[in-house]
Amino acid sequence: QKEVEQNSGPLSVPEGAIASLNCTYSDRGSQSFFWYRQYSGKSPELIMFIYSNGDKEDGRFTAQLNKASQYVSLLIRDSQPSDSATYLCAVNMHYGQNFVFGPGTRLSVLP
Amino acid sequence: EADIYQTPRYLVIGTGKKITLECSQTMGHDKMYWYQQDPGMELHLIHYSYGVNSTEKGDLSSESTVSRIRTEHFPLTLESARPSHTSQYLCASSTGVGSPLHFGNGTRLTVT
Repeated sequence: QKEVEQNSGPLSVPEGAIASLNCTYSDRGSQSFFWYRQYSGKSPELIMFIYSNGDKEDGRFTAQLNKASQYVSLLIRDSQPSDSATYLCAVNMHYGQNFVFGPGTRLSVLP
Repeated sequence: EADIYQTPRYLVIGTGKKITLECSQTMGHDKMYWYQQDPGMELHLIHYSYGVNSTEKGDLSSESTVSRIRTEHFPLTLESARPSHTSQYLCASSTGVGSPLHFGNGTRLTVT
């Protein structure tokens, strides 16, 4: 079992819809959770991070964390074609200082 | 916003050449990382450093080496490039445990 899992996609949503991206992790002691967006051929850019159970909102983005279920998600409201990218979930495991990345979910927002 | 710079942006080089990929950051971050990523594939950690004179190998076996003589500088060297080294190399830095990674723009290496 991989330490951080994501559906590879592609996840296709129509413009204006809510895109829901999911991530599960194996280490129950994980402390920090990050979402990155990566356009094809570019480097990952940080969208959001979350440390505590519950929701965290930033503009059109909401990160949700449920440590009991070892689950973190990213919601994108009013999806735009410019949101089409690969979204990477990253977890900072408590036993080390390195980040573990999921394989990424490819999102396609259709005009 | 973290400032982290990688040079060159693109590099095409012949087999057997020695190359050094540069990475510098101006944020004073102690922790720096090198990742390798093939197109459409996962990120793989190849080297990391928690501070000056501290370097460790990552999860992916790599024939490259790194050095950390100054906090702001974390170069990666390939002594003898091979076509299997063709990939994108991403440098990143972080202030510490729990803090996010900030990535440079990457170096796309092609070995012919």
